[in-house]
Amino acid sequence: DQQVKQNSPSLSVQEGRISILNCDYTNSMFDYFLWYKKYPAEGPTFLISISSIKDKNEDGRFTVFLNKSAKHLSLHIVPSQPGDSAVYFCAASVGDDKIIFGKGTRLHILP
Amino acid sequence: EADIYQTPRYLVIGTGKKITLECSQTMGHDKMYWYQQDPGMELHLIHYSYGVNSTEKGDLSSESTVSRIRTEHFPLTLESARPSHTSQYLCASSEVLNEQFFGPGTRLTVL
Repeated sequence: DQQVKQNSPSLSVQEGRISILNCDYTNSMFDYFLWYKKYPAEGPTFLISISSIKDKNEDGRFTVFLNKSAKHLSLHIVPSQPGDSAVYFCAASVGDDKIIFGKGTRLHILP
Repeated sequence: EADIYQTPRYLVIGTGKKITLECSQTMGHDKMYWYQQDPGMELHLIHYSYGVNSTEKGDLSSESTVSRIRTEHFPLTLESARPSHTSQYLCASSEVLNEQFFGPGTRLTVL
């Protein structure tokens, strides 16, 4: 049973517009959430994270929102740039336990 | 520059061969991990280590084995490769669990 779900396998967004990637989770014990970005033929790179005690974390063009009651988080990228085209993985953990990854969403930024 | 390395990047090998996938990191991290990932799927943890002489199996059953004799080195071995082992193998390390640094991956094809 998947504990971290990314229901959109792919997303296309016009350059300059906002990209919104969504993630749902089932384990209410998760207390830390992360987003990773992956280019083809490379390993994932850490992008941004959020603790369960917060509902928003911002880093430059990237903002992660957490809605604990809905067990939902989202990653907003604004403005979207061509270099943002990649696969984005949502991930979660409980304390110091292992990280659980979603299946990823492939983001295409259109010119 | 601190980094994490994986060799080989690509490997095509025949059934029944013994292979070792190499992973080294120069960051002095105690924690290291091996993940297996197929296209469009989540990263599955197959092995992890929290320090020298410490190895544990992950959530996904794997016929591979690992060793951790030195902090910086975490090789993965398949004694007898099979076509079902065809996948991408990603190595990662971390100081704190929640922010893992990934290597570029090894794409393994077993014929």
